[in-house]
Amino acid sequence: SQQGEEDPQALSIQEGENATMNCSYKTSINNLQWYRQNSGRGLVHLILIRSNEREKHSGRLRVTLDTSKKSSSLLITASRAADTASYFCATADQTGANNLFFGTGTRLTVIP
Amino acid sequence: EAQVTQNPRYLITVTGKKLTVTCSQNMNHEYMSWYRQDPGLGLRQIYYSMNVEVTDKGDVPEGYKVSRKEKRNFPLILESPSPNQTSLYFCASSFPDRGNEQFFGPGTRLTVL
Repeated sequence: SQQGEEDPQALSIQEGENATMNCSYKTSINNLQWYRQNSGRGLVHLILIRSNEREKHSGRLRVTLDTSKKSSSLLITASRAADTASYFCATADQTGANNLFFGTGTRLTVIP
Repeated sequence: EAQVTQNPRYLITVTGKKLTVTCSQNMNHEYMSWYRQDPGLGLRQIYYSMNVEVTDKGDVPEGYKVSRKEKRNFPLILESPSPNQTSLYFCASSFPDRGNEQFFGPGTRLTVL
């Protein structure tokens, strides 16, 4: 299976602090995406980084990708209570289809 | 509003009683996919479709069927549900090429007694 793995499984921080989540995967990838899921609801796309990119920013999000270590990290700066959610990385393989393989997620709790 | 809709949102049923979960998208996406989400296992792909009349198995297709007769609809069929199919199900759609953002439905929570 190409499923990724997030670390830590759960993270609890104070509002205003930064949150860092890591993702490791097993095979060569075309791109890696991060998604957010509020409790029991559908996933929402946050950011995509391609295999030839090393870092990408979007608002308070910063994603890095290290293909040699098969790992990625998602940094949320200046966290807010509304950032409380589960975060998943998803990898797309080298085939032509847009199949994504999701990790098991990091549950982030931001305490007001 | 661009969206993926699923129905029903919640369903409690009994073993062996055939059921269908509908999925519809209004974004003219060629690609659609079904996932199940279980605690500790993340999201696992059940089936996907690259276009009308084109479907293929994902990682966990056993016990499920799909059809893609129209571009906007991608129903998930459980011919004879069993308790191990109790799960949270998500439908997603996107443009077909890899690297496209997937849009998810709100989820269907299924309990099979």
